[in-house]
Amino acid sequence: EAGVTQFPSHSVIEKGQTVTLRCDPISGHDNLYWYRRVMGKEIKFLLHFVKESKQDESGMPNNRFLAERTGGTYSTLKVQPAELEDSGVYFCASSRDRLNTEAFFGQGTRLTVV
Amino acid sequence: KQEVTQIPAALSVPEGENLVLNCSFTDSAIYNLQWFRQDPGKGLTSLLLIQSSQREQTSGRLNASLDKSSGRSTLYIAASQPGDSATYLCAVQGGSEKLVFGKGTKLTVNP
Repeated sequence: EAGVTQFPSHSVIEKGQTVTLRCDPISGHDNLYWYRRVMGKEIKFLLHFVKESKQDESGMPNNRFLAERTGGTYSTLKVQPAELEDSGVYFCASSRDRLNTEAFFGQGTRLTVV
Repeated sequence: KQEVTQIPAALSVPEGENLVLNCSFTDSAIYNLQWFRQDPGKGLTSLLLIQSSQREQTSGRLNASLDKSSGRSTLYIAASQPGDSATYLCAVQGGSEKLVFGKGTKLTVNP
């Protein structure tokens, strides 16, 4: 069974540019989550999809961040325009059920905004 | 607001030693607690999931306990090996369904 895959693994962009991160969850997992870890801080929740619907987007920092999940399969997270404080590692996770099942994480995308 | 604390932040032990990692959380209204392992530059690997009705879970040399009422969990690693070196993360899932993470404990097992 393929795990959660994220693209790209690294991205370096200039302030003001746009970046799109992609996540392919485990097949059959309706629940998809985005998390972020900025330098020196703990991993924090951004967004939760159930199939193609946004269940909870309370962790999204501001309207420069836009997440989509086309057809309930893969998801994209776009940052436009990027700011310096957006630098960090962005993780995607998927799970079969909403509660009490393991969350499987991708390897993360390391975003550096210069 | 749920907060998760992990102590110690870093730990260095000789190979073969048994060790305990600690995790505490402020809101006991959780559905489950998960322990993860993260190797440098890699994603998170789920180690153990303990549901709120359970007291402990075991997998190989790992044993995790949960005391929900006191807001504490421990991860016990028996007979540590250099390959156990990694950052160990604790996360709780409550009614909002999201995982709330601690900052992690960086473990180094010296040969």
